[in-house]
Amino acid sequence: DAGVTQSPTHLIKTRGQQVTLRCSPKSGHDTVSWYQQALGQGPQFIFQYYEEEERQRGNFPDRFSGHQFPNYSSELNVNALLLGDSALYLCASSSSRWWRERDTEAFFGQGTRLTVV
Amino acid sequence: EDKVVQSPLSLVVHEGDTVTLNCSYEVTNFRSLLWYKQEKKAPTFLFMLTSSGIEKKSGRLSSILDKKELFSILNITATQTGDSAVYLCAVLNTSGTYKYIFGTGTRLKVLA
Repeated sequence: DAGVTQSPTHLIKTRGQQVTLRCSPKSGHDTVSWYQQALGQGPQFIFQYYEEEERQRGNFPDRFSGHQFPNYSSELNVNALLLGDSALYLCASSSSRWWRERDTEAFFGQGTRLTVV
Repeated sequence: EDKVVQSPLSLVVHEGDTVTLNCSYEVTNFRSLLWYKQEKKAPTFLFMLTSSGIEKKSGRLSSILDKKELFSILNITATQTGDSAVYLCAVLNTSGTYKYIFGTGTRLKVLA
């Protein structure tokens, strides 16, 4: 049973460029959330996808966009990269059972380390 | 504004010591509080706490939640070098959708 997989693991981009990060959720999970973790900080919620729709967005500009595919995998796109976008981007996989059950937790992928130069 | 505050920010101890990590929160629509251990990249799940006063234990780690005072502690007894990591506290918030609000983490270093 594969866990949450993210690709690529590392990425170096130049300011102004665009980047796409990918996430495949754990088997049986249908909800994908994206988090940004800057160095020395806790992860910050970017947005969540369920049923191929963005359900909620955190305090991130429109340069951050996403998509979810019918197989539940997801992409995070960031346009017009800034130096401040350098961070570890984590994908969290969960089941929509969260809406019905208490004792479930999200599973995180290994993350993509994005460096903007 | 919802927030989760962890203390201390960092901690250096020697093997065999006992440590207590703190997490306080002010979050609307609280559902549960979770502790994660982050060594390199992916946070790994430790505990989920939903009810006050019920201690959860796993080996040398234990945690408890106080929903009246809005805080949780994570205890690690007989620390080992393998416990060195960042420990993240997260509150599961249900405003709009289910999402985590994380603290900044406590960086624990255990010296041999």
